[in-house]
Amino acid sequence: GDSVTQMEGPVTLSEEAFLTINCTYTATGYPSLFWYVQYPGEGLQLLLKATKADDKGSNKGFEATYRKETTSFHLEKGSVQVSDSAVYFCALRLSSGSARQLTFGSGTQLTVLP
Amino acid sequence: DGGITQSPKYLFRKEGQNVTLSCEQNLNHDAMYWYRQDPGQGLRLIYYSQIVNDFQKGDIAEGYSVSREKKESFPLTVTSAQKNPTAFYLCASSNRGSTNEKLFFGSGTQLSVL
Repeated sequence: GDSVTQMEGPVTLSEEAFLTINCTYTATGYPSLFWYVQYPGEGLQLLLKATKADDKGSNKGFEATYRKETTSFHLEKGSVQVSDSAVYFCALRLSSGSARQLTFGSGTQLTVLP
Repeated sequence: DGGITQSPKYLFRKEGQNVTLSCEQNLNHDAMYWYRQDPGQGLRLIYYSQIVNDFQKGDIAEGYSVSREKKESFPLTVTSAQKNPTAFYLCASSNRGSTNEKLFFGSGTQLSVL
């Protein structure tokens, strides 16, 4: 079945450090890929997405590139801020699927220290 | 402001008791979803509804029940049959059928067993 594997956390960085959160996937078709962010005590928010190979999703300084050859969608940010502290979820959905068919990774807790 | 409202934020259940979690949306979305989030795990789908008066089981429906009598509301009942109910519960909705379908999440309900 479809699955998403994220790097285990927690990840702790100093402000202005470079961030990478690894995400790889297994899918039978051609999925769309997503990163969601969950701030403390809140629900998830869509951070960025990519719908086909070599697409780059970007938002709020975060970027992720859909790499079909390595089945990866790593999240990066060049300079993190304390306000980026949150849990980040990678997710996939088959291109023919509905929102019902979202598959989430286990989440990566990020803490940014001032 | 449009959005999804979950209540209560915290809920406690006694042994053998049924409890109901509320989810209301004013986004005019057809589809609504309930997810369960456990520490260190991704989100798991409990139930979903794509239209009023219709709903389907997700991956972990046992011990839960739902209703969809109104488009705006999708309450989740955690029954006494659910032996491990302690978790964070997230409700979501989506504009099903849109070419840019995405999930909108509520802020969640933390359920604990006394």
